[in-house]
Parts: sequence; C-alpha cells; structure tokens
Amino acid sequence: DVQLVESGGGVVQPGGSLRLSCAASGFDFDDFAMHWVRQAPGKGLEWVSLINGGGFSTFYADFLKGRFIISRDNSKNSLSLQMSNLRTEDTALYFCAKDRLRYSSGGSPESWGQGTLVTVSP
Amino acid sequence: AVQMTQSPSSLSASVGDTVSITCRPSAVIGNALAWYQQKPNSAPKLLIYATSSLQRGVPSRFSGSSSGGDFTLTISSLHPEDFATYYCLQDSTFPFTFGQGTRVEI
Repeated sequence: DVQLVESGGGVVQPGGSLRLSCAASGFDFDDFAMHWVRQAPGKGLEWVSLINGGGFSTFYADFLKGRFIISRDNSKNSLSLQMSNLRTEDTALYFCAKDRLRYSSGGSPESWGQGTLVTVSP
Repeated sequence: AVQMTQSPSSLSASVGDTVSITCRPSAVIGNALAWYQQKPNSAPKLLIYATSSLQRGVPSRFSGSSSGGDFTLTISSLHPEDFATYYCLQDSTFPFTFGQGTRVEI
C-alpha cells in the first residue's frame, strides 16, 4: 500500500525558514510526480508545488514568489519542501501527495499523507 | 493562473437526495478536472479524475460531467457518509488550482 508520511512542521517566526520532508513507500517512487498541497486552518485546499519523477521539472503556485523550493531524493524515496522568508499567511497543514499517473509530468494527486502543521507566528 | 469558481459554497440535503456541485474555470482546461472529498481532520480523497472517470473504490453514486465549459459533480442518493466538503482541481495548466470548496451538510 502507498504510504506517505510528512514531517518537519513546527512553529517559526516570520522571515524564518523550515524544511518539510515526506517519506514515501509502497510504490516505485521515481516513476511518479509528487505534489505539495496546503490547507490553512478552517480554509480550503491550496496547491503549492509539483516535481516530476526525475526531479528535473518543478512547478509552483504563483503566490509563492520564489520562497519555496521543492526537491526529491529518489535514492531515499524522499520528497522535500524548503520554505524560506515565511509569512503568517503560510500557516497551514502541508500535505504531500503522489500523482495518479506513472511517468506523468503532472496530473491529479491520488494518494495523500496526513500532513504536517506549519505555524508562522511572531 | 486558471481560477476555479465553485458553487455553491454550501448546501443542505437529506439522505437519499441527489445533489450537484459546479466548477467553472476562467480558461479552457480540456477535461483535466478532478473532484475530491474531504472529511474533518482527514486528508482529501480523490473521487473523479479527467472530468468523469471514477477512481477505483469510489461508489458509483458519484459521477462527473461537463457542459458548456462548466464541470459538475453529482452525488446520487446521498449516504450519511457523503456529508463532507468537496473540492474541484484543475490539473491542465500550471499552477494547478482548486475551487473554494462546497460543504454538504445534513
């Protein structure tokens, strides 16, 4: 079974940095694009970023303005999100998700982790 | 970015009712539209992909369609476990974008 486990969340001050990780198992990790999606407390889902299976194509939400970097280590079945210059509005539960299609450059997120909470507060 | 306008934001229904939720994209997205269900304190669950394809394991009372550029999720004969929040997602053009969500309440 597909398993995705996020970690690295916590409390950080505005302007600070945080690195999220997602440990993947149960599927051929390097065959699938991976997503980050976030959800602020009591709010809707917000797509954040995607990286393709090989790790050489990345895409980001417009609102990030270069503050986040997605990466992956296929030798460790691991996905990361390096977040810098954090703002209070980045406070959210961050989910990693596996794409539905093998070898796709990006499609519907299919399997999701349970998320890791990031709180940006003075 | 393609904006997804989802409606209604909430609706009240009873067990056995049929309900529909609509998403309208701000640009052409082909058939690249997915629907998700989310229950409190849980991760989203993929219901429908490519407008009308049912994800394996999802009951057939869930269906998706499109007409005139609008996309619709229909839940036929609501079950008690269907009361949740539903989101559309366009995965045609980066950045991908979600609708605002529809809360289906009893």
